Amino acid sequence: LAKTTQPISMDSYEGQEVNITCSHNNIATNDYITWYQQFPSQGPRFIIQGYKTKVTNEVASLFIPADRKSSTLSLPRVSLSDTAVYYCLVGRTGGYNKLIFGAGTRLAVHP
Amino acid sequence: NAGVTQTPKFQVLKTGQSMTLQCAQDMNHNSMYWYRQDPGMGLRLIYYSASEGTTDKGEVPNGYNVSRLNKREFSLRLESAAPSQTSVYFCASSGIPWTGDQETQYFGPGTRLLVL
Repeated sequence: LAKTTQPISMDSYEGQEVNITCSHNNIATNDYITWYQQFPSQGPRFIIQGYKTKVTNEVASLFIPADRKSSTLSLPRVSLSDTAVYYCLVGRTGGYNKLIFGAGTRLAVHP
Repeated sequence: NAGVTQTPKFQVLKTGQSMTLQCAQDMNHNSMYWYRQDPGMGLRLIYYSASEGTTDKGEVPNGYNVSRLNKREFSLRLESAAPSQTSVYFCASSGIPWTGDQETQYFGPGTRLLVL
């Protein structure tokens, strides 16, 4: 299982763009990169997933360089409601595999 | 479509008592998971079930048992609760989101367990 490394915490202000980088040096060929968001007292929620290059949805963008040894979650124009813990996971689910959640990155958005 | 539901929401046990945490999903997912999350920590996988009738150990299975009752339901049992099992327990199921082609996990609201 690929191990991930991400910053423990980050601070930002409303309206700014936030980039959270995750390192996964031993990512396997078949592994996907998935980011989850967790608010206090709630279960994690899927944000975005990618395999290579760039993926964008209505919530975030995910940038993955060619070597896939890292990835960056980009949150455009954050608001106070984006204050949460963000987890980067690498691997495959589907029953025969399992993902490992690290400690995540605690993002605090200030007014 | 309720997604993943868990019962109870909160439980207090005395050391040595037993209890079963219930989880159900209505998304027709094959795989289901049980995690625990201690304060300030990430989630740790206790057990998972790849499909109905199969279960496998995760990172921290000691002190727990599971039952995949049918495709919808996956229960977690504490036979003899210990204070070290005080935690928040999350159930999840996995399926393919419309935005991707790799299964992702959908989580329930959690059960907060306090063992005295």
